[in-house]
Amino acid sequence: DTGVSQDPRHKITKRGQNVTFRCDPISEHNRLYWYRQTLGQGPEFLTYFQNEAQLEKSRLLSDRFSAERPKGSFSTLEIQRTEQGDSAMYLCASSSDWTGGDVTLHFGNGTRLTVT
Amino acid sequence: RKEVEQDPGPFNVPEGATVAFNCTYSNSASQSFFWYRQDCRKEPKLLMSVYSSGNEDGRFTAQLNRASQYISLLIRDSKLSDSATYLCVVLRGMDSSYKLIFGSGTRLLVRP
Repeated sequence: DTGVSQDPRHKITKRGQNVTFRCDPISEHNRLYWYRQTLGQGPEFLTYFQNEAQLEKSRLLSDRFSAERPKGSFSTLEIQRTEQGDSAMYLCASSSDWTGGDVTLHFGNGTRLTVT
Repeated sequence: RKEVEQDPGPFNVPEGATVAFNCTYSNSASQSFFWYRQDCRKEPKLLMSVYSSGNEDGRFTAQLNRASQYISLLIRDSKLSDSATYLCVVLRGMDSSYKLIFGSGTRLLVRP
């Protein structure tokens, strides 16, 4: 399977704990995005990378959130001192360089976080 | 106000019906437009792009009105398998920094 993969699929954690999610994009894609989705809402943009450079971060991304893409391949999203409001589906997506006109985002299955 | 607004529905229609969804966007700098489909507990997937002249893909027709900042999706001859949430999406950005902004989605239920 050469699609976007995310790990873990589900994570249950207690408030105050740190969690880390991993995303492996489609190998030839240099753009990688993180979105968050809650019930009844569309995906909300969190941050994105072009290769290893983090080009934009949403104001939704508080200081407790950090994302990395150290070698321009896989990415990690860490949430420190989790709060119940962090409970959501965290979606990773990748795309090719948009200069060719194809802006399609290919999403992974997501990581569902539950903070108790 | 959200940057991309959609009627959440649900739209409950019988098989074979024609149904239309509307979407408005607030940022006039938005450059490209799309409809994504999301099945329950699944990831979003691109349904179709929306071009200025309007475009059709089988039973699906998308329209764009830049002056009114309005996008629509028409589904003809609805099938049970069309039941899903339809997300209106706009692309905006400048220089090398582009991102897709999603609406909250419109839920469609097609009944037998």
